[in-house]
Amino acid sequence: GQQLNQSPQSMFIQEGEDVSMNCTSSSIFNTWLWYKQDPGEGPVLLIALYKAGELTSNGRLTAQFGITRKDSFLNISASIPSDVGIYFCAGINTNAGKSTFGDGTTLTVKP
Amino acid sequence: DAGITQSPRHKVTETGTPVTLRCHQTENHRYMYWYRQDPGHGLRLIHYSYGVKDTDKGEVSDGYSVSRSKTEDFLLTLESATSSQTSVYFCAISRATGINEKLFFGSGTQLSVL
Repeated sequence: GQQLNQSPQSMFIQEGEDVSMNCTSSSIFNTWLWYKQDPGEGPVLLIALYKAGELTSNGRLTAQFGITRKDSFLNISASIPSDVGIYFCAGINTNAGKSTFGDGTTLTVKP
Repeated sequence: DAGITQSPRHKVTETGTPVTLRCHQTENHRYMYWYRQDPGHGLRLIHYSYGVKDTDKGEVSDGYSVSRSKTEDFLLTLESATSSQTSVYFCAISRATGINEKLFFGSGTQLSVL
């Protein structure tokens, strides 16, 4: 089946720093989604991307749909303590009708 | 709040016993999903439903069954629980018209099989 490689697996950063994470796949996806999971809760949708090359922002978060359609990137600017959590990417191939999740990037922000 | 309630929130059971997890939605969405989350594996799809009595398997469906007799309820059953089914289970609904798009998750059920 389709697999996503999400990296890095974990990040330890200082408050105020910028963060970058990415997902890559050997398969093409039609849609990329980014979710954040707080401890003890379910993932929450952050950003959805529908077109190759698309760049979308949500506050301090910016995500991009790679032009090859095989990757996506998430950047967080000026991190704050509440950014702590697990960030998941998900790729959707509409022909297959299902989404595939990456294994997540665990972000720790030190005050 | 996506109007999704999972019950129970925590469950401890013994190997070989049947277990049913319930997902209830208040928004009348067509698509509902069950995922499991394990360290190092992210979220993996167990089963999903695209309407009342319409369900299909996901990538890790062995050992699980589902039922959807009403739009608002999607049940996940472990017929005979095993220790490998210890996990956090998430129910999700899709608010988009396309399958699997824009998932909204419940708060999860922590299941421990001893």
